[in-house]
Amino acid sequence: EAGVAQSPRYKIIEKRQSVAFWCNPISGHATLYWYQQILGQGPKLLIQFQNNGVVDDSQLPKDRFSAERLKGVDSTLKIQPAKLEDSAVYLCASSLPGQHNSPLHFGNGTRLTVT
Amino acid sequence: DAKTTQPNSMESNEEEPVHLPCNHSTISGTDYIHWYRQLPSQGPEYVIHGLTSNVNNRMASLAIAEDRKSSTLILHRATLRDAAVYYCILRDDTSGTYKYIFGTGTRLKVLA
Repeated sequence: EAGVAQSPRYKIIEKRQSVAFWCNPISGHATLYWYQQILGQGPKLLIQFQNNGVVDDSQLPKDRFSAERLKGVDSTLKIQPAKLEDSAVYLCASSLPGQHNSPLHFGNGTRLTVT
Repeated sequence: DAKTTQPNSMESNEEEPVHLPCNHSTISGTDYIHWYRQLPSQGPEYVIHGLTSNVNNRMASLAIAEDRKSSTLILHRATLRDAAVYYCILRDDTSGTYKYIFGTGTRLKVLA
């Protein structure tokens, strides 16, 4: 099966600019997660979708970050405006619905550098 | 969110067994214990998970303490490709959200 696809692989922007990341999960996976991983730290959950509904976004900085999953498949994560501390790898993961206890499948992430 | 505690780093010799410990004293009765690992420049990958009983798969074994307050990931013969950061996670099933909260993990170094 094809894995979780993310693009772009790398992105460099200046502070106060905007940026968007795209994720295509594994076919049939209803649950989609966005994580932020700062260098040297574990991934931090930003937002979790079940189909096209938000299950948890308690750690998403909503003043600058937004995410959508309009048709319950692909998802985009946007940052506007970016700050220096947003430099990180943004990871997308997908899984079958939680009650199936299936593992998370991660993409290789988008590395964002804010200068 | 239930927390896990892992050593920051460990070393092992190639082809020897490795025991990676994890403490989770605040685990609740319905929390599953999951292990993921992250190779350099890659996203995390699933290793194994369990609830109460010990589990084995082709990658590793998971030994869970009887009181479930700790667990150990066992790599039976470490190879250089096993060098990675290993994360022990309690899957939070509160209110059906099924959240995976990562800690800082254990960086495993395998010596040739």
